[in-house]
Amino acid sequence: GAGVSQSPSNKVTEKGKDVELRCDPISGHTALYWYRQSLGQGLEFLIYFQGNSAPDKSGLPSDRFSAERTGGSVSTLTIQRTQQEDSAVYLCASSLERRGGYNEQFFGPGTRLTVL
Amino acid sequence: DAKTTQPPSMDCAEGRAANLPCNHSTISGNEYVYWYRQIHSQGPQYIIHGLKNNETNEMASLIITEDRKSSTLILPHATLRDTAVYYCIVSYGQNFVFGPGTRLSVLP
Repeated sequence: GAGVSQSPSNKVTEKGKDVELRCDPISGHTALYWYRQSLGQGLEFLIYFQGNSAPDKSGLPSDRFSAERTGGSVSTLTIQRTQQEDSAVYLCASSLERRGGYNEQFFGPGTRLTVL
Repeated sequence: DAKTTQPPSMDCAEGRAANLPCNHSTISGNEYVYWYRQIHSQGPQYIIHGLKNNETNEMASLIITEDRKSSTLILPHATLRDTAVYYCIVSYGQNFVFGPGTRLSVLP
């Protein structure tokens, strides 16, 4: 079946512009996650959705970052007034809600954002 | 912060077993141990997970010590395509914290 997809695969923008990144999770997956990975670094958690609600937004680095999820499916991550330090690969993952605390996350290929 | 400690890098000869260690001395009783890997420029890929017992699948084996304070991921016959960063994660529920991982280089 289809995996997690993300679009665009690459985005180059000018400092100060707004960008929207899209994630299509695996069909039927109730949980959705956004991570950020700067060059040569590990993954940094940003936000987690269960259905359409976001019980954990603790990783969003500033109020310029926001995310929404509609219909329990597609999610968009919006970065307003982009800065050069926002340049990174933005990864999305999804998982089923399982009992007992087990949670296997499936990752998309990421969106590489470059802010000039 | 990540609850795991891994060596930053390891080498392994092609065709040999790769044994990647992970320390998680503060693991809670209900937390799972997960292993993921990330091949250059791709999203992380799930490998295996375990709670208390050792586990094996088509990709790897996971050995968890009896006190659960450490684990080892074993790739039985490493190939060049196994060159990647390997992440060990302990988690209950949805909260995954990725550390820097181990960069495994499989050498011809």
